Amino acid sequence: DAGVIQSPRHEVTEMGQEVTLRCKPISGHDYLFWYRQTMMRGLELLIYFNNNVPIDDSGMPEDRFSAKMPNASFSTLKIQPSEPRDSAVYFCASSLNSGRSYEQYFGPGTRLTVT
Amino acid sequence: SQQGEEDPQALSIQEGENATMNCSYKTSINNLQWYRQNSGRGLVHLILIRSNEREKHSGRLRVTLDTSKKSSSLLITASRAADTASYFCATGGSSNTGKLIFGQGTTLQVKP
Repeated sequence: DAGVIQSPRHEVTEMGQEVTLRCKPISGHDYLFWYRQTMMRGLELLIYFNNNVPIDDSGMPEDRFSAKMPNASFSTLKIQPSEPRDSAVYFCASSLNSGRSYEQYFGPGTRLTVT
Repeated sequence: SQQGEEDPQALSIQEGENATMNCSYKTSINNLQWYRQNSGRGLVHLILIRSNEREKHSGRLRVTLDTSKKSSSLLITASRAADTASYFCATGGSSNTGKLIFGQGTTLQVKP
């Protein structure tokens, strides 16, 4: 298995632009998580899905952030408009909880820089 | 707010020594997990201990869990330079939602 795939790996954009981050979870996994990591705030859970349905989006910073999971093999995290304070590494992770394994598998992350 | 608080925040040891990291949490849990993150990479799952377990081993890793004190420790024995990384504890809630809450992490440096 290729593991969790994220694209792009690096994104540099100007303030005000729309940014779309993509994630392909491990095949068969029923949970998908989006995290943001910064030096100041550590690893923050933004939103997670179970069987493509958003379960908890309380970590989404504000309305500029939105996430979708149109099918079991694809999810997007969109920031519109982007701001310099959104600069961070964004991770996608997936897990299989139906079998009670609980452990999460992380992608390599997308390093976002907003200038 | 973060569930897990890790201690110490940073640890520097010589190769061959043991490294101990601690994690405290606040609410009831179903399981506690430890992850490793190498610089510039994603987190990698190391070990999971369930709330009804007290100790677990995996290779050079030993994890303990004390639910009465709401704390866990990760011991890495005979450390190697390749163990240099950040280590995070993560707790799964008793409601079993699949969600994990991560601590701030301990940065371990193993000097060759």
